[in-house]
Amino acid sequence: GESVGLHLPTLSVQEGDNSIINCAYSNSASDYFIWYKQESGKGPQFIIDIRSNMDKRQGQRVTVLLNKTVKHLSLQIAATQPGDSAVYFCAENSRTSYDKVIFGPGTSLSVIP
Amino acid sequence: GAVVSQHPSWVICKSGTSVKIECRSLDFQATTMFWYRQFPKQSLMLMATSNEGSKATYEQGVEKDKFLINHASLTLSTLTVTSAHPEDSSFYICSAGRGMNEQYFGPGTRLTVT
Repeated sequence: GESVGLHLPTLSVQEGDNSIINCAYSNSASDYFIWYKQESGKGPQFIIDIRSNMDKRQGQRVTVLLNKTVKHLSLQIAATQPGDSAVYFCAENSRTSYDKVIFGPGTSLSVIP
Repeated sequence: GAVVSQHPSWVICKSGTSVKIECRSLDFQATTMFWYRQFPKQSLMLMATSNEGSKATYEQGVEKDKFLINHASLTLSTLTVTSAHPEDSSFYICSAGRGMNEQYFGPGTRLTVT
């Protein structure tokens, strides 16, 4: 099956600080990107998405930035809370592979109280 | 709305036996469902795309005779792991598509093969 990388980087942040999680993608045909949160033993939970015709999208406490020039995505979480501790995945979907969502390697976020 | 369930949530089976995992879209019809596998501390790897009424499309490297997929209705897809071995132990997650760029994930099934 497809996946981008097999290692899980980790990020530790102090409660109340902002978190920035980065992701690189390789498929220039990808036109839709999603960030998911996964807690231990559970399925992925949708956080926010962005289409390739945008470079920024904001949600509640979260912002996604897309830089198509360098094929880079980031997820910013404001005022990180202990409940934000989880693994975060970026995922991509391309117009050439109808609805097939491919996940990035993931980042484990640990919030220090 | 848009709830996807999986059954069972966890299963333990003996090596050499087969096990079936169900994926249901509870409040919408899904012409396409997807099956992923996730090993500990790794990402989700797409195994196959399940299309209602037709044969599943498997990703490269995934054995179609080992992972049998049936999508007999618009709300149910099943994954059968045949002749399971300990290396098949993993977290299996399905998702159901409700339209372009609209996919909902199930809670996952933990398979342990002893």
